Amino acid sequence: NAGVTQTPKFQVLKTGQSMTLQCAQDMNHNSMYWYRQDPGMGLRLIYYSASEGTTDKGEVPNGYNVSRLNKREFSLRLESAAPSQTSVYFCASTSTSGSQNIQYFGAGTRLSVL
Amino acid sequence: QKEVEQNSGPLSVPEGAIASLNCTYSDRGSQSFFWYRQYSGKSPELIMFIYSNGDKEDGRFTAQLNKASQYVSLLIRDSQPSDSATYLCAVGGGADGLTFGKGTHLIIQP
Repeated sequence: NAGVTQTPKFQVLKTGQSMTLQCAQDMNHNSMYWYRQDPGMGLRLIYYSASEGTTDKGEVPNGYNVSRLNKREFSLRLESAAPSQTSVYFCASTSTSGSQNIQYFGAGTRLSVL
Repeated sequence: QKEVEQNSGPLSVPEGAIASLNCTYSDRGSQSFFWYRQYSGKSPELIMFIYSNGDKEDGRFTAQLNKASQYVSLLIRDSQPSDSATYLCAVGGGADGLTFGKGTHLIIQP
């Protein structure tokens, strides 16, 4: 049981390049999330998908797009990377049935944009 | 704008003592409260969650919630060096994600 799997673990991009961060969960969760974490800033929500077929903006969506490919997979795309997008990106998922709404996190993707 | 405030620390506590971590939040409608532990270079790991006013205990950890004061705390009894980490307070109410504080860096001194 892998939980939440993110790929790649590390990536270096040049300004203007594009890339897609992949996330998959095997817990049959309804909701999935993308956060970024910068030094001293905590985690900030980029986009989320409350259920398959829906996506919504979070606190810091500018410069990103997402796709909820199916119930398991939620990808984050940077169309034209900027140095300000250097960060650690975490994907998370949660089951919205019941009252717990506990989020489980992947191992993260460390992205550097030069 | 929902906000969650934590003292960034570092908070230094002797081994075996009680570590007390605090958090305040701005959204009175918040229903779920979480404490995550994050080691350097790792992902957040859930330690405790609490939904009702009062105390909730799990082993050496106790979470306390006071909705009237919009205050959440985490107590760690018999602190161990392995408890040294950053502790993130998170608040949420539904499928639209959690709002995180910036974290408190805890150091347990042997």
